[in-house]
Amino acid sequence: AQSVTQPDIHITVSEGASLELRCNYSYGATPYLFWYVQSPGQGLQLLLKYFSGDTLVQGIKGFEAEFKRSQSSFNLRKPSVHWSDAAEYFCAVAPDTGRRALTFGSGTRLQVQP
Amino acid sequence: NAGVTQTPKFQVLKTGQSMTLQCAQDMNHNSMYWYRQDPGMGLRLIYYSASEGTTDKGEVPNGYNVSRLNKREFSLRLESAAPSQTSVYFCASRPTGNTIYFGEGSWLTVV
Repeated sequence: AQSVTQPDIHITVSEGASLELRCNYSYGATPYLFWYVQSPGQGLQLLLKYFSGDTLVQGIKGFEAEFKRSQSSFNLRKPSVHWSDAAEYFCAVAPDTGRRALTFGSGTRLQVQP
Repeated sequence: NAGVTQTPKFQVLKTGQSMTLQCAQDMNHNSMYWYRQDPGMGLRLIYYSASEGTTDKGEVPNGYNVSRLNKREFSLRLESAAPSQTSVYFCASRPTGNTIYFGEGSWLTVV
């Protein structure tokens, strides 16, 4: 069974600083990888996804993520954080067969300091 | 353009009461899912439905039942609510591709 680890529970960055959120996965084959963002009291919004091809994927709101097979990682990055990016971020993995249900990491809460 | 619609959005139950969370999608998706979200644990799969009339247990099915009566709707029932079922519940659906679309969530408190 697949699993996802987000080692950072909480991260604080200053507005305008760069951001990297870590995600490691465990899955036997090439997974489908996702990053979701959730603002307080809101639902989940898909930031970006990786299925195949170019290992650097671009998403919405200026986010990008890089798939590194050798490290089983799919880290999320943003060059310059805005105060509105404060939210909780979830990495998720899905197999390419069967029920294709997402397995989520436990999330990283991002706080942005002015 | 509704996507995945969940009702109710907020609910408070007393221990032992029953209730049904409703979910409907208007995107003609075959697969539907129910997840629960708890602090520090991300989202965990409760039940899954690959198509009308079929359901399958996920990671945390105990205390829940589901019903997929038609392609649009996938309901989640708590027969006898317990405080441990206080959570945020998300319904989701997926077309033949791999992107899953989520509803806006249902906040349930069991007292």
